[in-house]
Order: sequence, then structure tokens, then C-alpha cells
Amino acid sequence: AQKITQTQPGMFVQEKEAVTLDCTYDTSDPSYGLFWYKQPSSGEMIFLIYQGSYDQQNATEGRYSLNFQKARKSANLVISASQLGDSAMYFCAMRESNDYKLSFGAGTTVTVRA
Amino acid sequence: DGGITQSPKYLFRKEGQNVTLSCEQNLNHDAMYWYRQDPGQGLRLIYYSQIVNDFQKGDIAEGYSVSREKKESFPLTVTSAQKNPTAFYLCASDPGGSLDEQYFGPGTRLTVT
Repeated sequence: AQKITQTQPGMFVQEKEAVTLDCTYDTSDPSYGLFWYKQPSSGEMIFLIYQGSYDQQNATEGRYSLNFQKARKSANLVISASQLGDSAMYFCAMRESNDYKLSFGAGTTVTVRA
Repeated sequence: DGGITQSPKYLFRKEGQNVTLSCEQNLNHDAMYWYRQDPGQGLRLIYYSQIVNDFQKGDIAEGYSVSREKKESFPLTVTSAQKNPTAFYLCASDPGGSLDEQYFGPGTRLTVT
């Protein structure tokens, strides 16, 4: 069964505007972590932001924020004030405490237009 | 600087040959991982190791083998039994036993013809 679902294959956003990338997950483990990674065309995976299942507050890191809705099993990434350098593929991922493997979604390609 | 190195960046092989991809980390991490990525898709786990001299199969281990003789090194061999070996391979590591993020190497793009 798919543990991480990203339903948006690709998105376009105007420079300086905000964009929201959707991510839903499936787990019965009460202790888990949710991650977002950025993959530019060069291929490296860049860690962006982390949300723990017991965290009360939504995570924020600079222009990145995570909209965590635990009851809906949703962990959407919001990128504010988009820049041309934000054009990349974005992956949502989850780790469960029972085995610590990282499960990835299929990714969303973001293209920022000038 | 601490990090993960993978070499080479690009690798070309003829069908039927085994090929070994290297992965070295100086982060003192216990856990290491190998992922495969096909164009436009997410990462799939091939093998992982939580400690030296021990490793487990991931979701797509068939046609691959690994070893973990040293904490710093986790080489991946793509054997001739792997039916579709052309892909982008990423190595990762983390401290182990926690929900910390994984750190990734720059990847090796393998092309088999």
C-alpha cells in the first residue's frame, strides 16, 4: 500500500508568489516523522523541513512551512515568495518508528516563472 | 567538511557486466541506505544497513548486493541479474535508531547498454 501520496505531478508558480504542495500519508504508527526534500536538476537531495507526529506547532524553516493536519494525515509544504531557484522536484517522505525506513512519494515538479 | 561521497558521477557499462557503486561517509553515522530513482519518479529503497556487518533488503533488492565491512563505506554491486539497471542511484546515511533526516550523496547515474 502506498504510504505517501503526492497527487500533483507538476505545478507552475509566478515568481514572488506562494505555492502549496500536497502530501498525504498513511500509517498506524503513532510515532513518525514527515520530511520534505528538494531535488534540483543536478540530482542531489536537499533536506528542507521536518515535522514530528507529536509536534504541536507546524514546522517552519525560512520560506518553507509545513501545514500539518494530523487527523487528515496531511503534510502540505508551503513555499512563500517563490524564487527562480525554487524550480525543482519536491518529495514528501515519512519515517515510522517501528523500522526507520524512509518512504517517498512520487514527487511534484515545481516550475517558477519570471 | 562532513558528508557523503559517491563516485563516479556517471558510469557506463555493457549489459552482462557487474558494476560496483561506491558510497563513503565521514559523518560517523551508523545507518546507510541505497536508493534507486527512475526518471520522473520517487526513490525506492534497495538495501540498508543499521550497523557494520549487517544489512537488510529493501523493497527492490533483486539483482543487487551490498557489503558493510566498515562504518564509513557501503558499496552497492549491480549484478547482471538486474533486468533494468539503468537508473540514478543515491546513497544516504543517518545516525540510526531515530526519526532524524537522512543525508544524501550526490548520486551516480548508471547507464547500461
